[in-house]
Amino acid sequence: LAKTTQPISMDSYEGQEVNITCSHNNIATNDYITWYQQFPSQGPRFIIQGYKTKVTNEVASLFIPADRKSSTLSLPRVSLSDTAVYYCLVGDGMGNFNKFYFGSGTKLNVKP
Amino acid sequence: NAGVTQTPKFRILKIGQSMTLQCTQDMNHNYMYWYRQDPGMGLKLIYYSVGAGITDKGEVPNGYNVSRSTTEDFPLRLELAAPSQTSVYFCASSQRFREMNTEAFFGQGTRLTVV
Repeated sequence: LAKTTQPISMDSYEGQEVNITCSHNNIATNDYITWYQQFPSQGPRFIIQGYKTKVTNEVASLFIPADRKSSTLSLPRVSLSDTAVYYCLVGDGMGNFNKFYFGSGTKLNVKP
Repeated sequence: NAGVTQTPKFRILKIGQSMTLQCTQDMNHNYMYWYRQDPGMGLKLIYYSVGAGITDKGEVPNGYNVSRSTTEDFPLRLELAAPSQTSVYFCASSQRFREMNTEAFFGQGTRLTVV
């Protein structure tokens, strides 16, 4: 099982850039790295996905080093509405990317 | 498009009762998943399916059963409800492109309490 490790919680202030790092030492060669956001009482929502180097979309950037054993989600200029739990997902570590496992996630608290 | 629809939204069961949580998606996705989320915890995979007629176990399958007779529907069955099954249940679906699972779409969840 490809385990992911993230900080339990982070605090930030509005307007700051937030970087959340995820460790996934046992990631399989074919696994992609995916990040989800979850608000209370809602299902998770896809943020971004990548395989290597850097991926950017309209809400976030994902940085993946060459060894792919970690990844960093970057949220530019966060607002209060970005307060949520953020999950990093990879496959099961054995090349079976039909299964996706959520770790405990990182609870981001954005303060005014 | 409605996306992923789960019913019911809330349910209270007595110990030993059974019920089926319904999940349907209108995006023609091959992959469907059931997760449970206990308070303050991450989601745990119960069962998943890669297409009609094909299902497989996730991390925590004990006490649950699934079936996938159509692409659209993926019901989750609890046969003998136990207090340990009190949780929020999420259904999700996704598509596959080469070796990459594209984004998964989640339903709004079913909050189940077993007393």
